[in-house]
Amino acid sequence: LAKTTQPISMDSYEGQEVNITCSHNNIATNDYITWYQQFPSQGPRFIIQGYKTKVTNEVASLFIPADRKSSTLSLPRVSLSDTAVYYCLVGPTWGTGRRALTFGSGTRLQVQP
Amino acid sequence: NAGVTQTPKFQVLKTGQSMTLQCAQDMNHNSMYWYRQDPGMGLRLIYYSASEGTTDKGEVPNGYNVSRLNKREFSLRLESAAPSQTSVYFCASTRDRVNTEAFFGQGTRLTVV
Repeated sequence: LAKTTQPISMDSYEGQEVNITCSHNNIATNDYITWYQQFPSQGPRFIIQGYKTKVTNEVASLFIPADRKSSTLSLPRVSLSDTAVYYCLVGPTWGTGRRALTFGSGTRLQVQP
Repeated sequence: NAGVTQTPKFQVLKTGQSMTLQCAQDMNHNSMYWYRQDPGMGLRLIYYSASEGTTDKGEVPNGYNVSRLNKREFSLRLESAAPSQTSVYFCASTRDRVNTEAFFGQGTRLTVV
C-alpha cells in the first residue's frame, strides 16, 4: 500500500502560514497526491491535488519535490476556521494490494487567536 | 444539486439487529465508497464500487455487505450489528476509478447498544 506519514497534530496562530508535510516514500509512478480537510461532524472536503512541482488554488498551495517522496500543504494566513484535520492521500492505484482512496490518521491543526 | 446524500443521519440499533445505510449521488459519478470513522480516528475504507455492477472489499469489510443498486445508489448493510460497529459512516463518490477528488456525504452516526 502507498502509506503516508503525517504529524499527528500542529498548533498555529491566526495570520500565520502553516505547512504540513506528508511522507510517502513508496509512491508509485501513476500516483497523485491529494489533500483533504475535515471539520468535526462533517465529511472530508477536497482541498488540492498535484503530481509534481507546485500547485496553487484559492485555498492552499501544494509543494512536491522532484523525487515525489514527500509533499507539503501550505495554508497562507490561517484563521480560526482553518482548525480541522488534514489528510494526505496517495493514489489511487488499482491492482493487487492497493486500495482506493485510503485515508491515514491525518494531522489535527489547531489555530489559536 | 445535492451531491452525496446519506440516510439516515442518526440511528440506534440493538446488538443483533440489521439495517441498511443508504447513499445516493446525483453527479453521475462512476465510483462510490463506504468509510467508517471512529472517534478521534481517520477514515477506514469498508467497501468500494469502481463502477456500476462491481464491488470490492476495503480495509475493514467484515460484518458488512454492500449493493451497488444502480449508478446513483450504493447501500451498506449490517446483517447483525455489534457494539464494535458503533461509528460514523461516510459515503463518497468520484467521477471514476482513477479520479481522486471525492465528494462526501454528511455521514450517518450509528450507535449499537
